[in-house]
Amino acid sequence: DADVTQTPRNRITKTGKRIMLECSQTKGHDRMYWYRQDPGLGLRLIYYSFDVKDINKGEISDGYSVSRQAQAKFSLSLESAIPNQTALYFCATSDPAGQGNYNEQFFGPGTRLTVL
Amino acid sequence: AQSVTQLDSQVPVFEEAPVELRCNYSSSVSVYLFWYVQYPNQGLQLLLKYLSGSTLVKGINGFEAEFNKSQTSFHLRKPSVHISDTAEYFCALMNRDDKIIFGKGTRLHILP
Repeated sequence: DADVTQTPRNRITKTGKRIMLECSQTKGHDRMYWYRQDPGLGLRLIYYSFDVKDINKGEISDGYSVSRQAQAKFSLSLESAIPNQTALYFCATSDPAGQGNYNEQFFGPGTRLTVL
Repeated sequence: AQSVTQLDSQVPVFEEAPVELRCNYSSSVSVYLFWYVQYPNQGLQLLLKYLSGSTLVKGINGFEAEFNKSQTSFHLRKPSVHISDTAEYFCALMNRDDKIIFGKGTRLHILP
């Protein structure tokens, strides 16, 4: 079984709709992240959470919100989807108790979101 | 501000030929450097990392990268590519806040 899972894997929605993307992990990591990937732009950080009570904005948080329901679950919401939020979304996790001072991030398989 | 620049958006190369994917970074403090690979329709996988020590780092699938502090570069190389290396490759740095900054990616096309 995959350590970091994302649901749904693909979603098509309409402008103005509310949509939630979910991420679950079985790695026992405290830290979780949401990124979006756009062609030619690489990955950009939307939100991150270092533990259940900690939520932080990333580089491009406008138009998004998150919820950390438990250590293992981190959801990303688009309150009113717009076409330029069409992208590939990735969840990632890391463990501050990991190797040395470096916290490797482990990525989920991604959710492809299309907003019409 | 910190940044990562991947100098080529696409690199075509013949099968069994060598390849170099270029990456330059900008940072006023020391950082960790990485290369990630994204195979078609998959998530990101860590290829290799530079944390400290030897400037030549070896990763999976025969890839290696060399950290050059004076040139602020971290180029990725493979002496002989295979069709299975077709993927997008991302150079990235991690700052002291544990946040990763990614380059825009380089698509590697393997020609038969």
